[in-house]
Amino acid sequence: QITLKESGPAVVKPTQTLTLTCTFSGFSLNTPGMSLGWIRQPPGEAPEWLALIFWDDDKRYTPSLKTRLSVTKDTSKNQVVLTMTNMDPVDTATYYCAVPRWNDVYDLMWFDPWGQGVLVTVSS
Amino acid sequence: QSALTQPASVSGSPGQSITVSCTGTSNDVGGFSHVSWYQQHPGKAPKLIIYEVNNRPSGVSSRFSGSKSGITASLTISGLLAEDEADYYCTSYTTSSSLFLFGPGTKVTVL
Repeated sequence: QITLKESGPAVVKPTQTLTLTCTFSGFSLNTPGMSLGWIRQPPGEAPEWLALIFWDDDKRYTPSLKTRLSVTKDTSKNQVVLTMTNMDPVDTATYYCAVPRWNDVYDLMWFDPWGQGVLVTVSS
Repeated sequence: QSALTQPASVSGSPGQSITVSCTGTSNDVGGFSHVSWYQQHPGKAPKLIIYEVNNRPSGVSSRFSGSKSGITASLTISGLLAEDEADYYCTSYTTSSSLFLFGPGTKVTVL
């Protein structure tokens, strides 16, 4: 059974860097084919995916936020860390980590399961 | 602004069937079978209820079904229950650099 849990600050100030950790169990990011993603959801809005990291340390970022995002993994701890620089109040959202599901030609098909999410508020 | 289009709200009485649509383009919904649907109750994480257009994960009620015609996918909830009141999001793979799209969401209200 795969479980995921996000952790990080509840509040960050504008211009600061956000660091979030996803701690997971039930799989290893050393296993070929495995990956993990980050998704955020502003209050009252739809989710959007942010970043993906693969077993071979390949990474993908959503184009609109690419310059502000970084994702890394620590396979010994079963953790993935997302950093987002230059935070702004519009970045206020619940941030989730989730397991992406791919087909044989690496089309991203869906995310499942998801963690419970962590609400991050950007405010001075 | 999402590249997928969903109605903002759909409502129905208990026991009725309702359908939520999700319209995209030939680069996403119309070109692939990678359409999924999520149910989200307030304060909870989205829950996968349909994947690959019309497949239900284990444990999801058979009252939920999916279909697709052209560039429009649909989620049907039959025998509507009070517990079905939630937000529903469609998603799709896309050939654009965005890689993966979420719809704007549809609020389902049980009258």
